[in-house]
Amino acid sequence: SQQGEEDPQALSIQEGENATMNCSYKTSINNLQWYRQNSGRGLVHLILIRSNEREKHSGRLRVTLDTSKKSSSLLITASRAADTASYFCGTSGSRLTFGEGTQLTVNP
Amino acid sequence: DAGITQSPRYKITETGRQVTLMCHQTWSHSYMFWYRQDLGHGLRLIYYSAAADITDKGEVPDGYVVSRSKTENFPLTLESATRSQTSVYFCASIEQGIFWNTEAFFGQGTRLTVV
Repeated sequence: SQQGEEDPQALSIQEGENATMNCSYKTSINNLQWYRQNSGRGLVHLILIRSNEREKHSGRLRVTLDTSKKSSSLLITASRAADTASYFCGTSGSRLTFGEGTQLTVNP
Repeated sequence: DAGITQSPRYKITETGRQVTLMCHQTWSHSYMFWYRQDLGHGLRLIYYSAAADITDKGEVPDGYVVSRSKTENFPLTLESATRSQTSVYFCASIEQGIFWNTEAFFGQGTRLTVV
């Protein structure tokens, strides 16, 4: 089974609101990465958090990691219609695997 | 141009035929991966490779074969295509460097339809 599982499966918000997506995983990891996928395209890397880090920021993105709970969250602040995409967490231990993703829709 | 490219972008093949999907990266990254993404779902790892001549199975390897004779190329072969292998296939690579603490780069995908 896949290592990372995102929650919720789908999220619909209004422009300007914050979007929070969660990821849970099963085994120990070296790092956790979040990726974005626009429809029909390959995944694009957003942010990486190492196993010894608890929080990381990049622009409007904030990622947290709780290794004791084996979970991570991605917060997108002040969302825009252009943020509409699928978001995946990737976990790397001995290989890089992904969950089912969260489909985010930001309504103008 | 530097990057990771997949070919073909689109492929229609018949059940039972052998088909090979190509993946080429220009960075000399150590690790390469093949994933499949079924409509509306996430990515499932098929095979991966840590270096030339080193490959290993992922989550869904049955029906697929890989090889890596050169660092920059990682072809994926469907030995006898089935309709259940209709999917979008993505190739990715990672620079080993500081082990695993770097991002993966993805190709644009190959949309394969088996009829």
